[in-house]
Amino acid sequence: DADVTQTPRNRITKTGKRIMLECSQTKGHDRMYWYRQDPGLGLRLIYYSFDVKDINKGEISDGYSVSRQAQAKFSLSLESAIPNQTALYFCATSVENTGELFFGEGSRLTVL
Amino acid sequence: RKEVEQDPGPFNVPEGATVAFNCTYSNSASQSFFWYRQDCRKEPKLLMSVYSSGNEDGRFTAQLNRASQYISLLIRDSKLSDSATYLCVAYSSASKIIFGSGTRLSIRP
Repeated sequence: DADVTQTPRNRITKTGKRIMLECSQTKGHDRMYWYRQDPGLGLRLIYYSFDVKDINKGEISDGYSVSRQAQAKFSLSLESAIPNQTALYFCATSVENTGELFFGEGSRLTVL
Repeated sequence: RKEVEQDPGPFNVPEGATVAFNCTYSNSASQSFFWYRQDCRKEPKLLMSVYSSGNEDGRFTAQLNRASQYISLLIRDSKLSDSATYLCVAYSSASKIIFGSGTRLSIRP
């Protein structure tokens, strides 16, 4: 089983719908991240959390929200999806004071 | 200017060739550096960390030049299986992890 698990792996939805992407980890790491990846733009940070009660905006947080329900779970929500949120979304974890990230397998979201 | 910049490629080289990528970073407070490998439609995976003294892992060699603020990755005797996108990552003391956009490498038979 993967140490960092994302669900769903693929989702097609319509403009205006609410979408939640979920991430759970068994690595015991405190730090969790949500990234999106678009062709030619690399990975861009949406939100990150260093602890259960800690939520921080990344470089592209507009249109997204997150919830850190427990150390092992970090969910990303799109309250009202729009087509330019079509992308590949990755959840990741890390150990404190290191830049090494452990990624989930990704969630491919298509907004029509 | 992006904090971490890479040549997007693609680099198209024959099997057995040596290929090198560079990556530049703008934040002098960056502490640690990494190379990740990403296969098409898959998650990035850590290839190797980059140390000031340089480090080698089999056919892969990573170098860091703090004075010029760049890191490099050298792949010797390239294999078809090396075809992937290589991502450069910088980590700063403010716990910022910044990714480059990636360099695409294609190895041809």
